[in-house]
Amino acid sequence: DQQVKQNSPSLSVQEGRISILNCDYTNSMFDYFLWYKKYPAEGPTFLISISSIKDKNEDGRFTVFLNKSAKHLSLHIVPSQPGDSAVYFCAAKGAYNTDKLIFGTGTRLQVFP
Amino acid sequence: KAGVTQTPRYLIKTRGQQVTLSCSPISGHRSVSWYQQTPGQGLQFLFEYFSETQRNKGNFPGRFSGRQFSNSRSEMNVSTLELGDSALYLCASSPLGRGIADTQYFGPGTRLTVL
Repeated sequence: DQQVKQNSPSLSVQEGRISILNCDYTNSMFDYFLWYKKYPAEGPTFLISISSIKDKNEDGRFTVFLNKSAKHLSLHIVPSQPGDSAVYFCAAKGAYNTDKLIFGTGTRLQVFP
Repeated sequence: KAGVTQTPRYLIKTRGQQVTLSCSPISGHRSVSWYQQTPGQGLQFLFEYFSETQRNKGNFPGRFSGRQFSNSRSEMNVSTLELGDSALYLCASSPLGRGIADTQYFGPGTRLTVL
């Protein structure tokens, strides 16, 4: 049972435009959400996170939106740059006394000039 | 501050052997978690340690085990290796290990190939 889903396996965006990556979850107990960027054969790099008490968090070019009623979050990258090309994972966790992350399947973003 | 380090970076073993992977968390971080990444299953949680105690375990067979030392360094061991154990093994650490709102930072991973 896939509790965190990223339904778009890939996304192609022109440099300078907005990239929107989506993530859906099924477990209403999830309370904290994170986005990671990953290159092949490397560890994920933390980008941005959001707590369920917020609906938006911004950090530079990255903004994460959370719609708790729809169990949906999205990552916006504005403006997109070629260096943003990577696989993006959303992850969720819910229990207080654990660091266990449930990952989505990832979306491969390609930013072309 | 140095990031999470993992050794070795690459490893080739044959079926039936055992392997030990090592992880050094970011200085001051007390919680260490392990994940397995494969093309078919994505990133799957293996287990997590806090203050030398296993706090949570994923859905993996008993051949997968781990431990944490008093300096927060962690090792994971896989015994009786199978071809399907070929994967990227990732270690992550977090500062407080309190769960909510505590970000995990990942190491570069150990690429294990089982022949």
